[in-house]
Amino acid sequence: QKEVEQDPGPLSVPEGAIVSLNCTYSNSAFQYFMWYRQYSRKGPELLMYTYSSGNKEDGRFTAQVDKSSKYISLFIRDSQPSDSATYLCASLADRGSTLGRLYFGRGTQLTVWP
Amino acid sequence: DAGVIQSPRHEVTEMGQEVTLRCKPISGHNSLFWYRQTMMRGLELLIYFNNNVPIDDSGMPEDRFSAKMPNASFSTLKIQPSEPRDSAVYFCASSFWGSGNTIYFGEGSWLTVV
Repeated sequence: QKEVEQDPGPLSVPEGAIVSLNCTYSNSAFQYFMWYRQYSRKGPELLMYTYSSGNKEDGRFTAQVDKSSKYISLFIRDSQPSDSATYLCASLADRGSTLGRLYFGRGTQLTVWP
Repeated sequence: DAGVIQSPRHEVTEMGQEVTLRCKPISGHNSLFWYRQTMMRGLELLIYFNNNVPIDDSGMPEDRFSAKMPNASFSTLKIQPSEPRDSAVYFCASSFWGSGNTIYFGEGSWLTVV
């Protein structure tokens, strides 16, 4: 089992839709959770970052972590064509043998059409 | 800040040739990561360094791959001899260990081995 599992999609939605992207993870030592956005032929860029459980909101984006179920979510409200990209979830442990190693999901390819 | 700088951006080489990819991390960062991204396997961590010392190279696929970090501002990933299955995008990333582990990626080196 991969440390972080993510449905690769693809996901196609109309402009203005609410998008929900999800990941699960297996390592209880994971405490840091991130979402990266990767445009075509570019490197991943950090979009959202949370520590431990809870919600974090930044404009149209909300990241949610439920440590009890080991579930990571990213919600995009009022989606725009410019949101079309691949979204990768990532997790990092704060202790143990995997300290410092960032584990990525496969990425979900999102297309928002006008 | 110039960000993580990688070279070359694109390389096409023949099977059996040596390939050297280069990376300049963000100034002040003390952790450096090499990732490989393919459609089939997603983003895989090959090796990472902390304070120029390799910490985890368990992701290096085989002995044909080697990585060095002779100083804090430069790292190389070498493949010798290269094979067609090495064709992928290779990303270098850096972070400041202890900062909350925000990792910044370069634009990638697109390698094609024919």
